[in-house]
Amino acid sequence: DTGVSQDPRHKITKRGQNVTFRCDPISEHNRLYWYRQTLGQGPEFLTYFQNEAQLEKSRLLSDRFSAERPKGSFSTLEIQRTEQGDSAMYLCASSETGTENSPLHFGNGTRLTVT
Amino acid sequence: GQQVMQIPQYQHVQEGEDFTTYCNSSTTLSNIQWYKQRPGGHPVFLIQLVKSGEVKKQKRLTFQFGEAKKNSSLHITATQTTDVGTYFCAEEYGNKLVFGAGTILRVKS
Repeated sequence: DTGVSQDPRHKITKRGQNVTFRCDPISEHNRLYWYRQTLGQGPEFLTYFQNEAQLEKSRLLSDRFSAERPKGSFSTLEIQRTEQGDSAMYLCASSETGTENSPLHFGNGTRLTVT
Repeated sequence: GQQVMQIPQYQHVQEGEDFTTYCNSSTTLSNIQWYKQRPGGHPVFLIQLVKSGEVKKQKRLTFQFGEAKKNSSLHITATQTTDVGTYFCAEEYGNKLVFGAGTILRVKS
């Protein structure tokens, strides 16, 4: 069990640029989540996959955000035309299926700074 | 959507003192999970409570779930500097966890 890994750890970009983050979940976990966290707040749900199917997206997720999990393994989160308000820590988490109320295993996150 | 409310927002204690954080919901919860996030780190799962009135202990940490399943608490006995961090409760809402804003704990040695 190597844990959930995220890449990159840090990303600085200029407003208007596109960015893409990657998440590799724990290998046997079928569920994958993306959360966003800003200073002084708890993680805020963005979207959720079961295998390759994206089952839920937050209303907070504007059309500039898109997430994929093409083979049901790793996932990518892309933000197009970044805005300063997108600056945050983007956390990926995975959990098992078949186990009710499985806890989330978080990665170290990708910290995005939009200048 | 649903959101649990946590109090206090921040607490600064002397090492050796006790600490308690509370999590409250206006609706009945199916279960509640607690996570700890160290400064600069990511949230790490601590425990899950499911049954009404449930009490679970992990060394110096005691977790309680209210009888009405609308509130929960985390109590730390005799805090240590290693306890610093933010403690989050999270409720299950649909297929996702919704986190509270957290309680920041600082410990003076």
